[in-house]
Amino acid sequence: DTAVSQTPKYLVTQMGNDKSIKCEQNLGHDTMYWYKQDSKKFLKIMFSYNNKELIINETVPNRFSPKSPDKAHLNLHINSLELGDSAVYFCASSQDFRVAGGSHDGETQYFGPGTRLLVL
Amino acid sequence: AQKVTQAQTEISVVEKEDVTLDCVYETRDTTYYLFWYKQPPSGELVFLIRRNSFDEQNEISGRYSWNFQKSTSSFNFTITASQVVDSAVYFCALSEYTGTASKLTFGTGTRLQVTL
Repeated sequence: DTAVSQTPKYLVTQMGNDKSIKCEQNLGHDTMYWYKQDSKKFLKIMFSYNNKELIINETVPNRFSPKSPDKAHLNLHINSLELGDSAVYFCASSQDFRVAGGSHDGETQYFGPGTRLLVL
Repeated sequence: AQKVTQAQTEISVVEKEDVTLDCVYETRDTTYYLFWYKQPPSGELVFLIRRNSFDEQNEISGRYSWNFQKSTSSFNFTITASQVVDSAVYFCALSEYTGTASKLTFGTGTRLQVTL
């Protein structure tokens, strides 16, 4: 059973195109995230949603728009792709700390396998 | 602002050697969590351990052990009797709780290469 899944695993596209990456978690978590890992392996948070509500929005270009149709899904749509968008995008999920009853596991984020995006 | 420093960019050891990966963090929060994640060559991010700021008890899990010292803001990770399968990039991370979500700040990672 895959806990956090992402599709596609690889995405190769031309500059200027629009693309989407999908993420689904079957852990029953309330919070989902998108992280970007650049070519130097540096990981940085982009967005976080809690129960379909945007909670964290780091300094990310407006071309990136997350969408959460329900708390098990968090998709990432990217408009007008640029060369610098090439990276690995990771989805993650965690239990809402309050729902977890204050349990420590509410702080643990579980990651999907990543989507490797290459913009040509 | 939170910061995580992994000063070792790359470590190379021979199988069966012990190796320690260093992590130093900065935060103004009094309650926080520290994590280690492993990223093998296949690319996924695998959760290894979580430690909260109130629990300085060190932990051992098989060949892995963690040394958390609040006084020096360090959370080091030791692999005993390393194996080739331990070859990966290891990330230390610090969480900042925003009220409904925790935001992870990652270190730059330490690439561990274990050879025969």
